[in-house]
Amino acid sequence: NAGVMQNPRHLVRRRGQEARLRCSPMKGHSHVYWYRQLPEEGLKFMVYLQKENIIDESGMPKERFSAEFPKEGPSILRIQQVVRGDSAAYFCASSPRGYNEQFFGPGTRLTVL
Amino acid sequence: GDSVTQMEGPVTLSEEAFLTINCTYTATGYPSLFWYVQYPGEGLQLLLKATKADDKGSNKGFEATYRKETTSFHLEKGSVQVSDSAVYFCALPNTDKLIFGTGTRLQVFP
Repeated sequence: NAGVMQNPRHLVRRRGQEARLRCSPMKGHSHVYWYRQLPEEGLKFMVYLQKENIIDESGMPKERFSAEFPKEGPSILRIQQVVRGDSAAYFCASSPRGYNEQFFGPGTRLTVL
Repeated sequence: GDSVTQMEGPVTLSEEAFLTINCTYTATGYPSLFWYVQYPGEGLQLLLKATKADDKGSNKGFEATYRKETTSFHLEKGSVQVSDSAVYFCALPNTDKLIFGTGTRLQVFP
């Protein structure tokens, strides 16, 4: 059973460009979570999604950030007009049925030049 | 609100030394508690968990006991190895999300 998959693993963008991060949950998992890890810090919750629904986006910045989890395909975290402060590792996790134990992907390391 | 506090690192040990990484929490009720480990360049892996007071989680020689009296969940290992070098995160669930401590970096030297 494949684990949570994220791509790309590394992403470099220039200021003002868009970044798209993808996450495919574990088979049988319908709940997806996104976290951000700034350098030398812990993980901070961003958003929780189920198929076609955003359940909790209390950790998402109000502007430039959006997330979706369509009926078919991976979950996407989208950052528009990136700035240097967006440089971080973005981790996706999944769980079955909203169960507390979450399984993490390897992360996407975003660097904004 | 709910929170997790971990001891600051880095923790530097020689191989076969005893390890303790402190974790205390503030929470409503008695949530499950987790320790995650992050090896260099990788994502987080669940190391162990405890679901109720006085439970002891254990895995790969690591242990942690859920102490509700002291609201603590300290991570211990009797004899560390170089391969244990990583960042360790204590976490607790809060509705639909996990709240993490800031992480403690462990460096083990031969």
